[in-house]
Amino acid sequence: GDSVTQMEGPVTLSEEAFLTINCTYTATGYPSLFWYVQYPGEGLQLLLKATKADDKGSNKGFEATYRKETTSFHLEKGSVQVSDSAVYFCAPSNAGGTSYGKLTFGQGTILTVHP
Amino acid sequence: GAVVSQHPSWVICKSGTSVKIECRSLDFQATTMFWYRQFPKQSLMLMATSNEGSKATYEQGVEKDKFLINHASLTLSTLTVTSAHPEDSSFYICSATSQDHPSGEQYFGPGTRLTVT
Repeated sequence: GDSVTQMEGPVTLSEEAFLTINCTYTATGYPSLFWYVQYPGEGLQLLLKATKADDKGSNKGFEATYRKETTSFHLEKGSVQVSDSAVYFCAPSNAGGTSYGKLTFGQGTILTVHP
Repeated sequence: GAVVSQHPSWVICKSGTSVKIECRSLDFQATTMFWYRQFPKQSLMLMATSNEGSKATYEQGVEKDKFLINHASLTLSTLTVTSAHPEDSSFYICSATSQDHPSGEQYFGPGTRLTVT
């Protein structure tokens, strides 16, 4: 079945530092790829997405590029803020078969940004 | 757009009672809704997938008779935890997808914190 491996956390950074959270996946077919963010005590919010190879998703200063050859979708931000402190989940969407549309979640990476 | 609500946001119940959690898509028609369970500091575990008007498809290891899911309309799905026990205490999150979003992103509700005493 599909699987996701995310960079283990927690990740602790100072404000304005550069962020990378690695994500690699195994999937059948050509999934869409998503990053979701979860703030404490809340549900998940879609952060960004990419639907085909070489697509770059971006939002709120975060970026991730769909790398089919390395089956990766690493999340980056050039300058993090305290308000970015949250849990980040990488999730490919199953592309076919009986699991079409299901998301496979990574274990989540806790990010803490200090002033 | 694409807002999903859940009610209640938190609930405390006694062991042996049943609890119903509602999930609503507020501004779109949700062809498919998903129910997840999340333990503290852990990832989301998919419990079941429900399509409007049909029976839910449960993931392996999830008890169908304990976690009853109903998807009666294109904007409402409910999860009923029957005869709840303390081990059912968890954060339950629903999500919804729409045919208007063919790339398959799911829109998540804010979650319901269930505590069984």
